[in-house]
Amino acid sequence: ETGVTQSPTHLIKTRGQQVTLRCSSQSGHNTVSWYQQALGQGPQFIFQYYREEENGRGNFPPRFSGLQFPNYSSELNVNALELDDSALYLCASSFGGSSNQPQHFGDGTRLSIL
Amino acid sequence: SQQGEEDPQALSIQEGENATMNCSYKTSINNLQWYRQNSGRGLVHLILIRSNEREKHSGRLRVTLDTSKKSSSLLITASRAADTASYFCATGHSGGSNYKLTFGKGTLLTVNP
Repeated sequence: ETGVTQSPTHLIKTRGQQVTLRCSSQSGHNTVSWYQQALGQGPQFIFQYYREEENGRGNFPPRFSGLQFPNYSSELNVNALELDDSALYLCASSFGGSSNQPQHFGDGTRLSIL
Repeated sequence: SQQGEEDPQALSIQEGENATMNCSYKTSINNLQWYRQNSGRGLVHLILIRSNEREKHSGRLRVTLDTSKKSSSLLITASRAADTASYFCATGHSGGSNYKLTFGKGTLLTVNP
């Protein structure tokens, strides 16, 4: 069983740039959720993709967008980067599109904005 | 916004002692989950307890849920240095928001050898 993998592991960008983060879900899972975790805080829900459709969204502006592909891997895109976007971005995969299942997390992408 | 709030924020104990962490939440839930995060890594799922359950065990872990008080506790017995990590509770919602988990800020547990 292949676990959740994220790439890249670290990334440095400057304000105003755009970034794409990638996530491969665990085999057998059809749902990917993305979270932003600031230093010393708990993860904040960004959005979820279930069977290639956005299934729900947290309190993040539209410059945070995503995709899910037919193999259930996913991308998180952030446009017009701001200093406050510096954080650990985590993806988690699960099955069935609800929160009633354990979520399996990758090790995250550490994004630093200069 | 954070739904769950863990207490204490930090806990330091000796190896072999028990560690208890608490979580309070505000709105109705359909399940509550506990996760562990080692420094700089992803979260690892520990236990899921459904809203109609009161207690669950997994190895050295015991979780309780009191929906009338909107609170949960995680007990780790006979702690080991390898248990040093941050522990988060996460609440799963019902109804229109049933897709998401809402995490607290976490408890940092340090187990000293």
